[in-house]
Amino acid sequence: DSGVTQTPKHLITATGQRVTLRCSPRSGDLSVYWYQQSLDQGLQFLIQYYNGEERAKGNILERFSAQQFPDLHSELNLSSLELGDSALYFCASSVGLEVPSGANVLTFGAGSRLTVL
Amino acid sequence: DQQVKQNSPSLSVQEGRISILNCDYTNSMFDYFLWYKKYPAEGPTFLISISSIKDKNEDGRFTVFLNKSAKHLSLHIVPSQPGDSAVYFCAARRGRQGAQKLVFGQGTRLTINP
Repeated sequence: DSGVTQTPKHLITATGQRVTLRCSPRSGDLSVYWYQQSLDQGLQFLIQYYNGEERAKGNILERFSAQQFPDLHSELNLSSLELGDSALYFCASSVGLEVPSGANVLTFGAGSRLTVL
Repeated sequence: DQQVKQNSPSLSVQEGRISILNCDYTNSMFDYFLWYKKYPAEGPTFLISISSIKDKNEDGRFTVFLNKSAKHLSLHIVPSQPGDSAVYFCAARRGRQGAQKLVFGQGTRLTINP
């Protein structure tokens, strides 16, 4: 158990629908990151929040949005789902604002697998 | 635009031998390079990293080499053990403080054969 909790583990839904993925960071971590891993692809950075504020943005679609709440948990909202949105969505957390370079690591959750039919 | 590439999707090595995983990058502004290891049904876990100002970093059986002129890094595992069987991701960090990003490669599945 990494300390980062993601729910749900698996989700199957239909095109056009909207889903919400939830992440609870490791205790004490203020930064939350969201990544998408599609089939045979590396992890694509979507967005980072630090202490409730958006701090960095990657190739996140306009149909996707995220937020970090006062208790530091985060939600990733995916709407108007398309077949191509089927992927593993990882949440990660770290203590500070800076992306960890080593000793202060980025801790990943086990992921939420989304299947869009 | 794939700035970090792992050109070998898979690698098979005999137990006790050396495993060498390779990674190429295109962006000279990366300041740190990291390797993550991923087992099935788990998230990636940090393995080892190297600053862009160094050319080698060693941690037990794991050594990362960085060749900046070739924009290439490699992870050496010696000796390889069955528990090393996993997917290995190379990642690189870029961006100014407060707006940094980790860019990941596609991963290499390493299988250690007994």
